[in-house]
Amino acid sequence: DAGVTQSPTHLIKTRGQQVTLRCSPKSGHDTVSWYQQALGQGPQFIFQYYEEEERQRGNFPDRFSGHQFPNYSSELNVNALLLGDSALYLCASSLLSFTEAFFGQGTRLTVV
Amino acid sequence: AQKVTQAQTEISVVEKEDVTLDCVYETRDTTYYLFWYKQPPSGELVFLIRRNSFDEQNEISGRYSWNFQKSTSSFNFTITASQVVDSAVYFCALSESSNFGNEKLTFGTGTRLTIIP
Repeated sequence: DAGVTQSPTHLIKTRGQQVTLRCSPKSGHDTVSWYQQALGQGPQFIFQYYEEEERQRGNFPDRFSGHQFPNYSSELNVNALLLGDSALYLCASSLLSFTEAFFGQGTRLTVV
Repeated sequence: AQKVTQAQTEISVVEKEDVTLDCVYETRDTTYYLFWYKQPPSGELVFLIRRNSFDEQNEISGRYSWNFQKSTSSFNFTITASQVVDSAVYFCALSESSNFGNEKLTFGTGTRLTIIP
């Protein structure tokens, strides 16, 4: 049983560019959440998707947007990249009826 | 607002020693969940335990044990007879319950544990 998979593993972008990160949830999971983890910090909640809709959102600007597809996979898009967007982006999947969240290995984004 | 505090930034112990990682949380809800995750150098967060606010029984899983005390809003994690493979960053997290089910996790800043051979 494959766990949560994220792609790409690493990414380098230039300030002002746009980036798309991808996540495939664990088999049987219908809810996907995205987190940003800056170096030396704990993960910060960005948003959560269920039934292709954004259910909850953390304190992140509108430059951060997402999408969930009918197969429950998800994308995180970040526009107009800033140097401060450099971080590890983690995807977590779970069942909405509340089970523990399982995390992927993350995408390391570096903005230069 | 929810908050999780892990006051210990870094801990180093010699292999086979016991070590306790502290976690203090703040929430206004009466129903909530507490978690511990392990983050090895690979980056993936590995789930260790989930505890709901109505279950204050301590839990033991092999060399791991957890002490939940609502009176002090603490959820501490102890590793007995530590091993080098336990070296990682450990995060405590809090989730409030709602009709939506799985809520967002609020994480502490983590404790970097180094086990010295």
